[in-house]
Amino acid sequence: KQEVTQIPAALSVPEGENLVLNCSFTDSAIYNLQWFRQDPGKGLTSLLLIQSSQREQTSGRLNASLDKSSGRSTLYIAASQPGDSATYLCAVNLSSSNTGKLIFGQGTTLQVKP
Amino acid sequence: NAGVTQTPKFRILKIGQSMTLQCTQDMNHNYMYWYRQDPGMGLKLIYYSVGAGITDKGEVPNGYNVSRSTTEDFPLRLELAAPSQTSVYFCASSPRQGAKDTQYFGPGTRLTVL
Repeated sequence: KQEVTQIPAALSVPEGENLVLNCSFTDSAIYNLQWFRQDPGKGLTSLLLIQSSQREQTSGRLNASLDKSSGRSTLYIAASQPGDSATYLCAVNLSSSNTGKLIFGQGTTLQVKP
Repeated sequence: NAGVTQTPKFRILKIGQSMTLQCTQDMNHNYMYWYRQDPGMGLKLIYYSVGAGITDKGEVPNGYNVSRSTTEDFPLRLELAAPSQTSVYFCASSPRQGAKDTQYFGPGTRLTVL
C-alpha cells in the first residue's frame, strides 16, 4: 500500500531564507507527483506537477525535484516571504490507475516570519 | 468562470441526521473527486467519477453515497451522520485524463457532527 510521508510537520523560518520541504513515498510505481499549497480555511492550489519521467519542475521561486528510485521529492523555496506561509502538501498518482486518484501526505505547515 | 464551487461552507449535524454536500464545476471536466481532511492529516479519497453516470469508491467510502447525473454536478450524500464524519470535505475536478492532469479544488465544506 502506497504511503506518503512529509517531514517536518511544521517549520518556522525568518524571511529571506531558502528552505526545503521533504516528501517520501513507499511505492516507486507512480504516474506523477504533485505539490499543493493550502491556506487556512481554503482549498488546495496546485503548485507543481512532476511526471514520473521528469527529474524536476520550476515555477518562479519554487523548484520541485523527483527521485523515483529512492521514493523522494523535495520542494525548494528560494528567498522565502511571509506570503509563503501556508501548508504544503505532496500527493502521488499511482501508475496502476489512470483515474487520477491521489495519495496525500500529511503536509508541512510553513511559517515565514518578517 | 467560477471553477469548483461547494455548498454549504459550514454545517453542524446531529447524530443520525442526513445531508447532501453540493459540488459544481463549470470547466467541463470529466473527472471529479470527493476528499475528506481530518485535522493535521492529508486528504483521503471518498468517491470519484470519471464521467456522467460513472462513479466508484475511493479509500474511505463507508457512510457516504454519490451520484453523477450531469458533467457539472457531483453531490455527496451522508446518511445517518456519525461523529467520525466530522471533517472538512473537498471536491475537486480534473480535465481530460485524471492521471495526467492536475486537480482543481473547491474551498471546502466544514462539517461537525454532534
